[in-house]
Order: sequence, then structure tokens, then C-alpha cells
Amino acid sequence: DSGVTQTPKHLITATGQRVTLRCSPRSGDLSVYWYQQSLDQGLQFLIQYYNGEERAKGNILERFSAQQFPDLHSELNLSSLELGDSALYFCASSPGQGAYEQYFGPGTRLTVT
Amino acid sequence: AQSVTQLGSHVSVSEGALVLLRCNYSSSVPPYLFWYVQYPNQGLQLLLKYTSAATLVKGINGFEAEFKKSETSFHLTKPSAHMRDAAEYFCAVSVAAGNKLTFGGGTRVLVKP
Repeated sequence: DSGVTQTPKHLITATGQRVTLRCSPRSGDLSVYWYQQSLDQGLQFLIQYYNGEERAKGNILERFSAQQFPDLHSELNLSSLELGDSALYFCASSPGQGAYEQYFGPGTRLTVT
Repeated sequence: AQSVTQLGSHVSVSEGALVLLRCNYSSSVPPYLFWYVQYPNQGLQLLLKYTSAATLVKGINGFEAEFKKSETSFHLTKPSAHMRDAAEYFCAVSVAAGNKLTFGGGTRVLVKP
């Protein structure tokens, strides 16, 4: 158990809908990262937050957004969903300052039908 | 920009045999390198990391990896495979503490009895 929690574990929704994925980092970790894992794209970095502020952006679509709250949990919002958004979404956390490794949650499997 | 190439998307080994997973990286600055393992329906677990200290790095579950700058490689080995080693393994690179991870395509390991 990495100490990173993600909810829900599975999500099935229809095209055009909007969903919210939630992540709670390890106790004390200030950085949260979101990654998408799909068969065709592999593991791709989406976005990073550090202590409530956006730190870096990767291949994140404009239909996707994220935020980190004062209690350091983070949410990833996916809207106008398309079939191609079906994937595993992972959250990872790290202490931030001077830390290199990231600890991953169990993931949320999103299926868009 | 950094990138990672994992040679062989699938590797099959016999129980008790050597496990060798290949990873080559590209980075414009000194890299920090990681190996993660993903068991079925689970998140990624950190196996080991290289952060510019010793070039031979020992990790969990009997795995180790050697950083070779001249070959831009960070291959993962385990002297004797066990059935529980069947999983997918990912090599990743980062360019600084707190930065995103860039992953290779992964290598799925099958262990034959």
C-alpha cells in the first residue's frame, strides 16, 4: 500500500458526459501528479500540482482540468468524454522539495461507452 | 526533452533463470532513473531508483539495476526469477527532483514453471 488513495476504482459513463476523479496523497506529500495509462499511448503525464498551485502541464486535453485543494487532495475533471478517453488514470504523490520518487495510487479505470 | 526506450515488450523466463530487462534513456541533463513494477489490476510500485549516487542500485524483491552513462542504459536484473515476478515493468526518467516522470513502453514478464 503506497498510502495514495484514489476514488472511484471503476467508472463507466457515456460519451459527452463529465466525471471527477479524486486523489488523496500520502500524508505530508505536497506534490500530486496525474498520469493516464492507455494501450495506445502508454503512461503519459497529464499535470502536476504543488501545494495547491499548478506546477507543470503535460499532454492534457483542454477538456480536462484539475485542481489541488487546501487539504492537498486533488481532483481531475474530464468533460465531453469521448471513447478514446477510456483509460487508467493514476495519481502519484511525492514530498516535493528534493524528492525524486513518486508513489502511485491504485488508479481509476474509466470506461466511456 | 527526455525519453525512455524499453527493448522488448514481452519477456518470457523460466523460474530460477536470470531476468534481464533493458532500458535506454535520452536526456539533455544528468538523469534520475527509476524502475516501477505493475501487478495486474494494481498501481505502480517503485522497485529502485538512481539519483546520482552509486551506479549499481539495489531495490526490493532482489532486483538491481546498473547505470551506465556511456551506454545511456539502466538495465534491470534479477539473478533468479520467481513466479511472483510475473508483472509489467516500467523504466522512467526524470530530470530534476519534483519533476514529472517520462516512462518507457513497459515490458511484460512471463515466468514459466
